[in-house]
Amino acid sequence: GNSVTQMEGPVTLSEEAFLTINCTYTATGYPSLFWYVQYPGEGLQLLLKATKADDKGSNKGFEATYRKETTSFHLEKGSVQVSDSAVYFCAFRRGSGAGSYQLTFGKGTKLSVIP
Amino acid sequence: EAGVVQSPRYKIIEKKQPVAFWCNPISGHNTLYWYRQNLGQGPELLIRYENEEAVDDSQLPKDRFSAERLKGVDSTLKIQPAELGDSAVYLCASSLNSGTDEQYFGPGTRLTVT
Repeated sequence: GNSVTQMEGPVTLSEEAFLTINCTYTATGYPSLFWYVQYPGEGLQLLLKATKADDKGSNKGFEATYRKETTSFHLEKGSVQVSDSAVYFCAFRRGSGAGSYQLTFGKGTKLSVIP
Repeated sequence: EAGVVQSPRYKIIEKKQPVAFWCNPISGHNTLYWYRQNLGQGPELLIRYENEEAVDDSQLPKDRFSAERLKGVDSTLKIQPAELGDSAVYLCASSLNSGTDEQYFGPGTRLTVT
């Protein structure tokens, strides 16, 4: 069935370190892919998205590339800050047909950045 | 622009008691979603509304859960009676319409059933 598998946390990094959070998906067709971020005490916010193969989503220094051949959408940032500490969720939405509105989320990866 | 508003933010109840959560979506958003997020998991969809119509409630446990969206704006999700396993964060989201429109999430209501 449709699912998202993302790297388990928690992940602890020092400020200015390089970040990678792996995400792979299992879905039929051509899904849209998303990364959401949840800061402490807040709701989920869309961080970036990609809607077709080879697209690169980017925002706030974060990037992720839609790799259809490996069904992956890994999140990267070259230099993390303390303010990036949050839980990151990978998600997809089916491209068409029944359920195309529905987001399927991974379990989330908690990132802690220490000064 | 105001975001999605939910209340209460926290609720602690004893099992077998009823509980209700309220959501006010972003103005003009026709589609409203309720999700449940268990500890250490991603959100899972419970129900989706298009205006006042529940168009997908296939994942809502209908024996104890109910929801309504009167006048196609605010929505209420109810649990009666609550069970220990209902402890979770209940998230409301809204979007302009279904399909490709971005979903905007509220801060959630954290329910603890004792």
